[in-house]
Amino acid sequence: AQSVTQPDIHITVSEGASLELRCNYSYGATPYLFWYVQSPGQGLQLLLKYFSGDTLVQGIKGFEAEFKRSQSSFNLRKPSVHWSDAAEYFCALNSGNTPLVFGKGTRLSVIA
Amino acid sequence: GAVVSQHPSRVICKSGTSVKIECRSLDFQATTMFWYRQFPKQSLMLMATSNEGSKATYEQGVEKDKFLINHASLTLSTLTVTSAHPEDSSFYICSVLLSQTYEQYFGPGTRLTVT
Repeated sequence: AQSVTQPDIHITVSEGASLELRCNYSYGATPYLFWYVQSPGQGLQLLLKYFSGDTLVQGIKGFEAEFKRSQSSFNLRKPSVHWSDAAEYFCALNSGNTPLVFGKGTRLSVIA
Repeated sequence: GAVVSQHPSRVICKSGTSVKIECRSLDFQATTMFWYRQFPKQSLMLMATSNEGSKATYEQGVEKDKFLINHASLTLSTLTVTSAHPEDSSFYICSVLLSQTYEQYFGPGTRLTVT
């Protein structure tokens, strides 16, 4: 069965510090992997995606993620966090034209 | 990416009434849309897959007679919550599937409160 695990429910980082949000998946083959961000009361915005090829993918807002097949992981990173990055982050997967399977999300707080 | 709108953004209704939520793809013709539900501080749960011109596919445990989905055109899908009850209060979000890129773009969501 397909599943996505985000081990960290809540992370707090200082503004300007680096960030890594963890995501592990369970899937029979190589899935299509996504990271979305959600601000309170809003819909989801696509940050980046991995389908194939280069395992390090660049997204919007300075985010990147690295696909590691051996670890079944797709962690999201940002070298320097801004206060406006505070939000809920969801890792998700599918097999193409299928519904997304979401992780439970990681809430990011940014402190001065 | 695609621009997706939802209307209304917030709605309060009385128990027993029906509420219709619209999901529009503003700049893309979408054969497939998805409807999700999100409880406070939780992840998104897929309710149904909406296919243009055909019946929606519902997830296990989602009552198709309670949550009516109509995808009559390539730019509009509607979700009608019939005979709403307080436990139906939730955040409902739709997404549009771009079949060429496999990306999904989400609407801003609709907050439903049933009193």
